[in-house]
Amino acid sequence: DAGITQSPRHKVTETGTPVTLRCHQTENHRYMYWYRQDPGHGLRLIHYSYGVKDTDKGEVSDGYSVSRSKTEDFLLTLESATSSQTSVYFCAISAPGLDYNEQFFGPGTRLTVL
Amino acid sequence: SQQGEEDPQALSIQEGENATMNCSYKTSINNLQWYRQNSGRGLVHLILIRSNEREKHSGRLRVTLDTSKKSSSLLITASRAADTASYFCATASSSNTGKLIFGQGTTLQVKP
Repeated sequence: DAGITQSPRHKVTETGTPVTLRCHQTENHRYMYWYRQDPGHGLRLIHYSYGVKDTDKGEVSDGYSVSRSKTEDFLLTLESATSSQTSVYFCAISAPGLDYNEQFFGPGTRLTVL
Repeated sequence: SQQGEEDPQALSIQEGENATMNCSYKTSINNLQWYRQNSGRGLVHLILIRSNEREKHSGRLRVTLDTSKKSSSLLITASRAADTASYFCATASSSNTGKLIFGQGTTLQVKP
């Protein structure tokens, strides 16, 4: 299995509070991604990173920000959580040189916003 | 918006039967991939087929791609109870940003 961990694995928070999810990889892969998974929507890309300090928006980026100060860590922040952000969040990584579009996924973080 | 639409949304078969799932997409692609997700787990990459390929095999998996129809199919032969999972297609655009767009998935149940 690719060395990807996500923390926390489960979190319950209240509307309006800030939340940060962490994705950590030990593979030294250049590309990292944050998705959310909701019933009926499959996986939707929130933000992605193609290198340290290089990030870009995905399909559903409103209300989310990201940071990548080190190759191994990609942080997803909800500045002020809303109930619509209740979801399962997945981090993924990929690497150029392989079929770099192939992505390896972390175990997910289940976030509940009350 | 979702690129891929998968059909059927749910499929229930007996062990030993074949399972076929279909994926349609809207824009030009560089490659198309299939992933499996077991309940409560992350996605696992199964197979990748490039836009210039028409068919690819991996073990009991067979993937076809028809770029003229913008569609792909995943066939799992001789299914097993352990194949019970959700299956997602994902497309990579020709711009090759590394981004994937996922379909909504097919939930497969294989009954022993």
